[in-house]
Amino acid sequence: ETGVTQTPRHLVMGMTNKKSLKCEQHLGHNAMYWYKQSAKKPLELMFVYNFKEQTENNSVPSRFSPECPNSSHLFLHLHTLQPEDSALYLCASSQEGGSPLHFGNGTRLTVT
Amino acid sequence: QKEVEQDPGPLSVPEGAIVSLNCTYSNSAFQYFMWYRQYSRKGPELLMYTYSSGNKEDGRFTAQVDKSSKYISLFIRDSQPSDSATYLCAMSGERNYGQNFVFGPGTRLSVLP
Repeated sequence: ETGVTQTPRHLVMGMTNKKSLKCEQHLGHNAMYWYKQSAKKPLELMFVYNFKEQTENNSVPSRFSPECPNSSHLFLHLHTLQPEDSALYLCASSQEGGSPLHFGNGTRLTVT
Repeated sequence: QKEVEQDPGPLSVPEGAIVSLNCTYSNSAFQYFMWYRQYSRKGPELLMYTYSSGNKEDGRFTAQVDKSSKYISLFIRDSQPSDSATYLCAMSGERNYGQNFVFGPGTRLSVLP
């Protein structure tokens, strides 16, 4: 397995459900990110982790909760989401100070 | 004014055409410039990565950066139907840390056989 892997690829959940998105990077990078991509809007940075420490929380609602147990794995825990949270959630990694972002294929989330 | 502007398209061209995709930006501190290609139901894939002004060529793709005009371009020669995708420009400042990346909304390109 190479690159950045995200699971699941698709997720449909009700507003009262709790679910988690998973990301794994096999590139040896030391930084990982969660982005939200909505139709016709620029990518929105949600969270950044450097060496497992959260360094950025871009005013994201508390119904999104990130977890980074090590530099290769990143989770996004979801609870009591709203329909407007439906979007493509992208995980990315990079080597701090010297490389562009490398993205996974995303999780398409639909909140009903 | 948005930090990065990009025409969302859609842009339709015949196969074999030369395609020009463009972004303008307002922050003169940007030093690193990237183009990503995103196919439907996939994540963005890095196409070109350049530093400061000038041109960079990779096969059928050429990236141009004009910092004096705050304008970047991606040219695709001999376009193919497989080039049909959304193209995102991205840029970052001197420290090139991931949290400083700013993306355009993307231009959707269709290359017709």
